[in-house]
Amino acid sequence: TQLLEQSPQFLSIQEGENLTVYCNSSSVFSSLQWYRQEPGEGPVLLVTVVTGGEVKKLKRLTFQFGDARKDSSLHITAAQPGDTGLYLCAGALYQGAQKLVFGQGTRLTINP
Amino acid sequence: DAGVTQSPTHLIKTRGQHVTLRCSPISGHKSVSWYQQVLGQGPQFIFQYYEKEERGRGNFPDRFSARQFPNYSSELNVNALLLGDSALYLCASSLWTGVISGNTIYFGEGSWLTVV
Repeated sequence: TQLLEQSPQFLSIQEGENLTVYCNSSSVFSSLQWYRQEPGEGPVLLVTVVTGGEVKKLKRLTFQFGDARKDSSLHITAAQPGDTGLYLCAGALYQGAQKLVFGQGTRLTINP
Repeated sequence: DAGVTQSPTHLIKTRGQHVTLRCSPISGHKSVSWYQQVLGQGPQFIFQYYEKEERGRGNFPDRFSARQFPNYSSELNVNALLLGDSALYLCASSLWTGVISGNTIYFGEGSWLTVV
């Protein structure tokens, strides 16, 4: 069974602070996707990282894929209340079927 | 362009009943997958279909079945509903199967199923 452990599960910080969310696994993934999910809606793709060591930036969000393609991090700089939401990491596997293995999610609250 | 569309958005069923959920992938996408998301958890893989064939199945009982039609739309069927089947059912589509670069998986907004 492939597991993707995401931490922390809950994070509440003040506006302007920085934060990092981690996803770790013993499995090697072909790629890793980060999603953001609002209550009652489906996950919305933020970024896909494919190459070991790859770093992608999306405004104040920085995503990194581990060198061994087993882990990833999401760093948010100067968090804003609009960043509040559920962040999900998902490792992509192909074992005859295309499959995403999701972490448990990080529920982020940015307080004004 | 329309994204992944799912119907119905919300429904309530009684234990023992059957439910059918529908999904239309993004135009041009041939792969459709289904995921179950229980409240407070990340989505869990149920099925993947590509070119109308089942390519993979997650750890779900035989009460769960699906199919893909010639137009690449898909249905998820759940028989003999249990209280524990209450969840958000997500459909995802991608251009083709496989996880190579460029084959991004996009999700619909989901169908909320409540079993009472």
